[in-house]
Amino acid sequence: GAVVSQHPSWVICKSGTSVKIECRSLDFQATTMFWYRQFPKQSLMLMATSNEGSKATYEQGVEKDKFLINHASLTLSTLTVTSAHPEDSSFYICSLTGTYEQYFGPGTRLTVT
Amino acid sequence: AQSVTQPDIHITVSEGASLELRCNYSYGATPYLFWYVQSPGQGLQLLLKYFSGDTLVQGIKGFEAEFKRSQSSFNLRKPSVHWSDAAEYFCAVGASTNAGKSTFGDGTTLTVKP
Repeated sequence: GAVVSQHPSWVICKSGTSVKIECRSLDFQATTMFWYRQFPKQSLMLMATSNEGSKATYEQGVEKDKFLINHASLTLSTLTVTSAHPEDSSFYICSLTGTYEQYFGPGTRLTVT
Repeated sequence: AQSVTQPDIHITVSEGASLELRCNYSYGATPYLFWYVQSPGQGLQLLLKYFSGDTLVQGIKGFEAEFKRSQSSFNLRKPSVHWSDAAEYFCAVGASTNAGKSTFGDGTTLTVKP
């Protein structure tokens, strides 16, 4: 299956700053990647669908100006959390889809102080 | 709209005992069903999936699941649990073979007693 990496694995930032999270497909060209958010002890919630070379598609209730997604190549999608606040602290997971299943990155834990 | 219910938030079993994790789904057409496992601070790993055919599906790590259309269920089972199976388990239903739009259940935390 495809191998997906995320960087950083853990980041702490101050309130009001921006943080960029990278999602890389190491061995698979992904025209579409997905970004999920997971709060502690909760399930994954799809935030947006990242499309290579075009604008991302955001799920209802997700602020596109706050969560900027760029999918500039077939192997890299980035999620930038702008003007982060403590309530943005969460576990962010990216994934890409093969023919029959999803391949998930290891996740990035964001803590906003 | 599709939805998934995992009735058990937390399950504790003894090592060597059998395990069943419940999953009920709601979907208007033929569902595509998945079970994932997540260890603390990690991403998700696919255990098994069902698209069609044999309703008893075998997965990795000795897990299996049975699709029961009449009960809208896709329960996960393992005959003998190992301590390393302690993790969070998620059931998911997808709208098509493009699994990216899957809807996840709230998860079941499995604790294994020695």
